[in-house]
Amino acid sequence: DVKVTQSSRYLVKRTGEKVFLECVQDMDHENMFWYRQDPGLGLRLIYFSYDVKMKEKGDIPEGYSVSREKKERFSLILESASTNQTSMYLCASSGDKAKNIQYFGAGTRLSVL
Amino acid sequence: RKEVEQDPGPFNVPEGATVAFNCTYSNSASQSFFWYRQDCRKEPKLLMSVYSSGNEDGRFTAQLNRASQYISLLIRDSKLSDSATYLCVVTTGNQFYFGTGTSLTVIP
Repeated sequence: DVKVTQSSRYLVKRTGEKVFLECVQDMDHENMFWYRQDPGLGLRLIYFSYDVKMKEKGDIPEGYSVSREKKERFSLILESASTNQTSMYLCASSGDKAKNIQYFGAGTRLSVL
Repeated sequence: RKEVEQDPGPFNVPEGATVAFNCTYSNSASQSFFWYRQDCRKEPKLLMSVYSSGNEDGRFTAQLNRASQYISLLIRDSKLSDSATYLCVVTTGNQFYFGTGTSLTVIP
């Protein structure tokens, strides 16, 4: 079974703090994604990566950055957290052989106070 | 115009009912189509892929209509455990586009 693990289920941070959300997958998948999910807006793509050290902006990259130093790990960074970044963050991965199927982590519910 | 649009519902149906969801997509070049299921406070999980020829998995039937650019999901004999949000997903090139989800509650 594919396993995508996000480091925290719940996180509370203060405005202006630097926040790291970590995601690790154990299936040697090439592709990894970060989404945020908000009521009424569905899943919105923040950043994605198709290879180590490679990153592409998604639909809403502002206020975020990412890092992919190793194939299995994709980190989302909030340089200076703001209250409008309070959301559910979901990491996903997919392999090149079944490129169109994404496997999700359990999500991190981030509250920025 | 959104890439993918879904009726958010909610759909409240009695056990045993048949319920159908539709999802429209805007890009005729889209190549792959899926339904995902998301339980409350959980991550989305793949329910089934959708093909032009239609595909069935037990009580679930998915259909793709390329001419009208919509996909559908039919659930027969609804169970309480079917209560969830159903997301349609469309891929275009390297991009995934998610619908906002349709909420289903099956009532005893």
